[in-house]
Amino acid sequence: KAGVTQTPRYLIKTRGQQVTLSCSPISGHRSVSWYQQTPGQGLQFLFEYFSETQRNKGNFPGRFSGRQFSNSRSEMNVSTLELGDSALYLCASSFSKNTEAFFGQGTRLTVV
Amino acid sequence: LAKTTQPISMDSYEGQEVNITCSHNNIATNDYITWYQQFPSQGPRFIIQGYKTKVTNEVASLFIPADRKSSTLSLPRVSLSDTAVYYCLVGGLGGSYIPTFGRGTSLIVHP
Repeated sequence: KAGVTQTPRYLIKTRGQQVTLSCSPISGHRSVSWYQQTPGQGLQFLFEYFSETQRNKGNFPGRFSGRQFSNSRSEMNVSTLELGDSALYLCASSFSKNTEAFFGQGTRLTVV
Repeated sequence: LAKTTQPISMDSYEGQEVNITCSHNNIATNDYITWYQQFPSQGPRFIIQGYKTKVTNEVASLFIPADRKSSTLSLPRVSLSDTAVYYCLVGGLGGSYIPTFGRGTSLIVHP
């Protein structure tokens, strides 16, 4: 079956702009989580959605937001981009709590 | 919030068994222990998950002592392609908590 698909794979944005990243989970998976990975901070949890509801949120500013659609696809939005937002953004999907999670290849965001 | 501690790096040689230990002293009763592997510029890949005692699959074994305050990932007969960063995660993904990945263990397998 198809894996987790993230688009776009690479993105370059200017400081102050906003960006929307997309994640299509594995068919049948209802949980989608987002992570930010940087060399300095490692893998940090952003938020998790389950059946269109945000179930949990990490310690990130309100500029980071997300949503999940009825087909479980999810989007993540970052507004007023800062240089420090440059990172690999990863999406993971799972069927339910405590089950195996599958990650996408990530979106490499560069803010200049 | 269960915090994990792993060695920063490890070196091994092809064909050897590698054991990576993760400490998680404040693991909660309903927490699972999950290990992931990550190659550069790729998303982490699930390796194995367990709750207690021993779990084995086709790529690894996971040993969890009775007190569950630590766990050991065992990779039998590693190859060069096992060179990667390995993360221990307590709690699993999904559910009402904040998943916390540690800094991971960078494993380098030498010829």
